[in-house]
Amino acid sequence: DAGVIQSPRHEVTEMGQEVTLRCKPISGHNSLFWYRQTMMRGLELLIYFNNNVPIDDSGMPEDRFSAKMPNASFSTLKIQPSEPRDSAVYFCASSTSRQGFYEQYFGPGTRLTVT
Amino acid sequence: GNSVTQMEGPVTLSEEAFLTINCTYTATGYPSLFWYVQYPGEGLQLLLKATKADDKGSNKGFEATYRKETTSFHLEKGSVQVSDSAVYFCALGDSNYQLIWGAGTKLIIKP
Repeated sequence: DAGVIQSPRHEVTEMGQEVTLRCKPISGHNSLFWYRQTMMRGLELLIYFNNNVPIDDSGMPEDRFSAKMPNASFSTLKIQPSEPRDSAVYFCASSTSRQGFYEQYFGPGTRLTVT
Repeated sequence: GNSVTQMEGPVTLSEEAFLTINCTYTATGYPSLFWYVQYPGEGLQLLLKATKADDKGSNKGFEATYRKETTSFHLEKGSVQVSDSAVYFCALGDSNYQLIWGAGTKLIIKP
């Protein structure tokens, strides 16, 4: 079975550029989570969706960040404009309410470097 | 609010040593508790869970018991291997369907 798929795996961009991270959750999962991981701040929840609807985006750092889930099999996290402090590993995770929101399956992450 | 506190790492052990990674929590009610593991270069994966007091979660030789009286969920393994080297995260499930994460504990196992 395919797990959570994220692309790209690595992204290097210059300050001010737009960055789009992509996620395909596990088929049949109805909750999707975007996390950011840094050494300084650890693992932070940015936003999560349930049945394609954003439920809680209080972790989104600022207006430069936006996330969409147009259908059950695809989500994007966009940063515009990017800044060096956005450098981090971004994880997407999915779960199913049948199994429990807390049993989350993580993708391999996207390592973002903003120079 | 809810919170999770883990022992700071890194924890360095020799192969076949006994492992304990401490985790305590603060929460209203009786949340579900989890241990996740992150191997180098990978995403997190669920290691074990416990949903009520006195439950013991176990997987791959790891165990943790939900202790209500001490608000703890310590991770243990009787004999660690080099392949257990990873970062271990304790977490609780809050009432808003979110996981509250500990800071993570890096485990290094030397042959």
